[in-house]
Amino acid sequence: QLQLQESGPGLVKPSQTLSLTCTVSGGSISSGNYYWTWIRQPAGKGLEWIGRIYTSGSTNYHPSLKSRVTISVDTSKNQFSLKLSSVTAADTAVYFCARGVDYGGNSLYFQHWGQGSLVTVSS
Amino acid sequence: SSELTQDPAVSVALGQTVRITCQGDSFRSYYASWYQQKPGQAPVLVIYGKNNRPSGIPDRFSGSSSGNTASLTITGAQADDEADYYCNSRDSRGNHVLFGGGTKLTVL
Repeated sequence: QLQLQESGPGLVKPSQTLSLTCTVSGGSISSGNYYWTWIRQPAGKGLEWIGRIYTSGSTNYHPSLKSRVTISVDTSKNQFSLKLSSVTAADTAVYFCARGVDYGGNSLYFQHWGQGSLVTVSS
Repeated sequence: SSELTQDPAVSVALGQTVRITCQGDSFRSYYASWYQQKPGQAPVLVIYGKNNRPSGIPDRFSGSSSGNTASLTITGAQADDEADYYCNSRDSRGNHVLFGGGTKLTVL
């Protein structure tokens, strides 16, 4: 059974860089035609896609976050990571990692999610 | 367009049928996936593709699409179905992922 687990600091100061890692277990991050995604959810609000990475290294980012986001993958550790720079209080959210699937050429879905990691931006 | 629009809240009487909709230009080319989220939990995939349910999802959940609108139908809603529901798709160029704003379903 594939499992994903986020880890990283729960508190980040404004203007600093938020860093999270997602560890994948129960399967290889390199196998299959999947991509690895970060999604966040501010308290009481909806889901916001941050970006994704294929194991080839190819990335796509949310247009509004693109200038501040870097997603990377470490296949040797079966992990992928998120860095979000110059954070403000608006970046306070629960951050989820998830495995994405492109299905049938005309849809996509996320079946496997981490439990989520709350990151608070505050001095 | 880069948006998916959902009604913020919907209610349904126990045992009745409810449809949750999601509007967006991407649905003219792509199918929606749908997620159920309960407080403090990660989202759970309930529908993907044209109308596919992952293993373990009850068959009272179904999906459909027409024009720029995707729908999630729950036939015979149960108390356990009370949750937030999110639709998800690509943008019309296919490069980015979109989520709807979510619909809070109340089962009366």
